[in-house]
Amino acid sequence: GAGVSQSPSNKVTEKGKDVELRCDPISGHTALYWYRQRLGQGLEFLIYFQGNSAPDKSGLPSDRFSAERTGESVSTLTIQRTQQEDSAVYLCASSLGDGGAGETQYFGPGTRLLVL
Amino acid sequence: QQPVQSPQAVILREGEDAVINCSSSKALYSVHWYRQKHGEAPVFLMILLKGGEQKGHEKISASFNEKKQQSSLYLTASQLSYSGTYFCGTEYSDSWGKLQFGAGTQVVVTP
Repeated sequence: GAGVSQSPSNKVTEKGKDVELRCDPISGHTALYWYRQRLGQGLEFLIYFQGNSAPDKSGLPSDRFSAERTGESVSTLTIQRTQQEDSAVYLCASSLGDGGAGETQYFGPGTRLLVL
Repeated sequence: QQPVQSPQAVILREGEDAVINCSSSKALYSVHWYRQKHGEAPVFLMILLKGGEQKGHEKISASFNEKKQQSSLYLTASQLSYSGTYFCGTEYSDSWGKLQFGAGTQVVVTP
C-alpha cells in the first residue's frame, strides 16, 4: 500500500480481555515502531523492530504487552488482560531502516482502544 | 530522556510568528518534528541532524543548536492550516532509530 495501515481503527473491549492490534508498514520498510498516545499527551515509545535484529522492547509498560513481526512485514501488538489505563491510541510507524540514523518515520492512522 | 517542549500551547492570529523549543538533557544526534491534527496521525515536517543545520518546510523552519542540546521550530506568517499539536522527537547516538517524543505544543491559529 501507499502508506502505513492499521486495523482495527477502533476497538472497544471489556477489562480483562485480550486484544490484538495490527500494523502493515510501507512496502520495503524494514523498521517498524509502536507507540502509545494517551488522550492529550505525547507519543510513548513501546517497541522497535529493525530487520532481523532482536526487537527493542524497552518501552513495553508491562509483561501484558507483547509484539511480533512476520519477516519484514506485518506486526501485531497484543495486550493481554486489558486494564482501563490501557485505553489510548496505538500508533504504528515504519521507516526504511537502512541502518542509518535520522530516518523519517511514517505513521499510520492508529487504533483507538477503549477498555471499559 | 524525554525532551522538554515549550511552550505547552500558543494562540496566534493569522500572519503572526511563533517559536517552539525542544530541549534535551543529553547530546542529540537528530531532531524530528511532526505536526498532528486532532484525530489524525502525526505528519512528518522535517529532520535536523547533528551539525546545526537549518531546514525549512513552507514557511516553517527549524534550527538545531548542538551546544545547547536544543532545537527550535519557527512558524512564520502563520496560516490557519498550521493549527495542530507539534511534537519533537529526539534521537541519540546510542539508540539510533528510536525516538523519544516531547509532550507536544498545541498551536491554534485564529483568523
